[in-house]
Amino acid sequence: DTGVSQDPRHKITKRGQNVTFRCDPISEHNRLYWYRQTLGQGPEFLTYFQNEAQLEKSRLLSDRFSAERPKGSFSTLEIQRTEQGDSAMYLCASSLGGLSSYNEQFFGPGTRLTVL
Amino acid sequence: AQSVTQLDSQVPVFEEAPVELRCNYSSSVSVYLFWYVQYPNQGLQLLLKYLSGSTLVKGINGFEAEFNKSQTSFHLRKPSVHISDTAEYFCAVRPFNAGNMLTFGGGTRLMVKP
Repeated sequence: DTGVSQDPRHKITKRGQNVTFRCDPISEHNRLYWYRQTLGQGPEFLTYFQNEAQLEKSRLLSDRFSAERPKGSFSTLEIQRTEQGDSAMYLCASSLGGLSSYNEQFFGPGTRLTVL
Repeated sequence: AQSVTQLDSQVPVFEEAPVELRCNYSSSVSVYLFWYVQYPNQGLQLLLKYLSGSTLVKGINGFEAEFNKSQTSFHLRKPSVHISDTAEYFCAVRPFNAGNMLTFGGGTRLMVKP
């Protein structure tokens, strides 16, 4: 399978715990995106990397959230001191980047986080 | 900033009937437009996109959409739906040359009944 993969698919945690999610993009894609989707809503943009550089961050990304892409390949999203409001599906997407103004984003299956 | 409104949260329809899912957007700059489908427990899959040119675009699974600039709409249509089309559908926009983030609507759940 050469699509975007995410791990874990499901995570249940207690309020106050830290959690970390991983995303592996399509191998030749240098752009990587994180979105959050709460129940009954559309995905909301969180952050975007080009290679290892984090170029855009949403105001939704509070200081409890941190994302990294250390070698320009896989990415991790960490949430510290989780709150019940963090319960959501966290989606990762990747795309090519370059001179073309449009590059399709391919989405992974998501990680569903439940904070008790 | 951009915003996307999907006017119907749920659309029930009988199998083999036509369907239209409505999408309106607001943006101060020109945008690309997309429709994505999400099946249960799966990620988003691109159905179709409007980048430029003909305002009627055709996508996968027999879906098509028409871009109407004056009405800022991008409604999705299918002439005859199948049970397997039951899913959540999301309309999204992305500005031309101003960032890479997609802005999504709230989604429309299409429920196809036998």
